[in-house]
Amino acid sequence: QKEVEQDPGPLSVPEGAIVSLNCTYSNSAFQYFMWYRQYSRKGPELLMYTYSSGNKEDGRFTAQVDKSSKYISLFIRDSQPSDSATYLCAMSLNNNDMRFGAGTRLTVKP
Amino acid sequence: ETGVTQTPRHLVMGMTNKKSLKCEQHLGHNAMYWYKQSAKKPLELMFVYSLEERVENNSVPSRFSPECPNSSHLFLHLHTLQPEDSALYLCASSQDRQGGPQHFGDGTRLSIL
Repeated sequence: QKEVEQDPGPLSVPEGAIVSLNCTYSNSAFQYFMWYRQYSRKGPELLMYTYSSGNKEDGRFTAQVDKSSKYISLFIRDSQPSDSATYLCAMSLNNNDMRFGAGTRLTVKP
Repeated sequence: ETGVTQTPRHLVMGMTNKKSLKCEQHLGHNAMYWYKQSAKKPLELMFVYSLEERVENNSVPSRFSPECPNSSHLFLHLHTLQPEDSALYLCASSQDRQGGPQHFGDGTRLSIL
């Protein structure tokens, strides 16, 4: 079993749609949860950073962590073509050793 | 503009060549990392430096040799690479090893002929 599972997609949605991206994990000791966005030919860019369970909102982006289910989500409201990218989930123990998902490729069509 | 700068952005080399990748962070961080990113695979952590000391080496082949002369600079020296080493090599930094998110550069796209 992989430590972090993420559906690679690709996922294609029309502009304005709500996008849901998800990851599951196996290590219940993870405490920090992150979402990165990676555009083509660029490095991963930190989008959301959360500690333990709960929700965090930043503009059109909402991150959710459900530690009891070992499940994290990223929601994108009013999606835009500029949101087209690969989204990576990541998580870590308290020593910052991060484990990444393989990434979900998202395309938002005008 | 990214706080982590990597050079070169692209590198093509033969299996017998020796080259080096460079990373510089302008964020005042104390920990730096090298990752390998291959298509459709999770990022693979290669090396971790904290306060210029190597703290982790994830069974990386000896043909990859890291160097961290100070907390702002990180190098990855390459020699006698194999075709399967072709990938995107990413550098990252974080405030320290105990927490806080990692910030990435844009990577070096390496192709081995």
